[in-house]
Amino acid sequence: EPEVTQTPSHQVTQMGQEVILRCVPISNHLYFYWYRQILGQKVEFLVSFYNNEISEKSEIFDDQFSVERPDGSNFTLKIRSTKLEDSAMYFCASGGLNYEQYFGPGTRLTVT
Amino acid sequence: GENVEQHPSTLSVQEGDSAVIKCTYSDSASNYFPWYKQELGKRPQLIIDIRSNVGEKKDQRIAVTLNKTAKHFSLHITETQPEDSAVYFCAASQEGRRALTFGSGTRLQVQP
Repeated sequence: EPEVTQTPSHQVTQMGQEVILRCVPISNHLYFYWYRQILGQKVEFLVSFYNNEISEKSEIFDDQFSVERPDGSNFTLKIRSTKLEDSAMYFCASGGLNYEQYFGPGTRLTVT
Repeated sequence: GENVEQHPSTLSVQEGDSAVIKCTYSDSASNYFPWYKQELGKRPQLIIDIRSNVGEKKDQRIAVTLNKTAKHFSLHITETQPEDSAVYFCAASQEGRRALTFGSGTRLQVQP
């Protein structure tokens, strides 16, 4: 059964550095999402992407964040200048025309 | 925006018993309600979902019920097994949107 994959599984970076988190969605899916979960808190929506553009974003997804689908398979989340409070588990998800969303295993981002 | 409350935060049952987890949502326009199971160190796994045009959906030992008037929905697991032990998350999305708003999770422990 196809699954969403994410790399790396764990990323450690220094405050102020740029990070790129990578995701490979399920191949026939059309919608792509990023969520994050700060330790001990709820899973929070960041952004959704459809037809090569952002379709929804939350107030968390400010100018420091960007998403890209550089080719037919990858979906990336970039954080331009990381802050301590960006430390979290970042989940990518993908879905088809129905509302179902299938999650990847997550990337744990640690900002020091 | 939408707010989803989930309870209990922890639930311990004996193997073979039933488990019920409840969620309430704030936005009456929400119309899609998935449930995810997350085992330790693994991805959130979609286990069942329901749309607002039905009141109940079953899949083997799991069922979800929706009360639109009261704005709450519940996950029912019958004949629980030790492998059901995990954190369960409810979520909701508003009509016309795909962003999921998550509950805070319920840690279910099934005692053999």
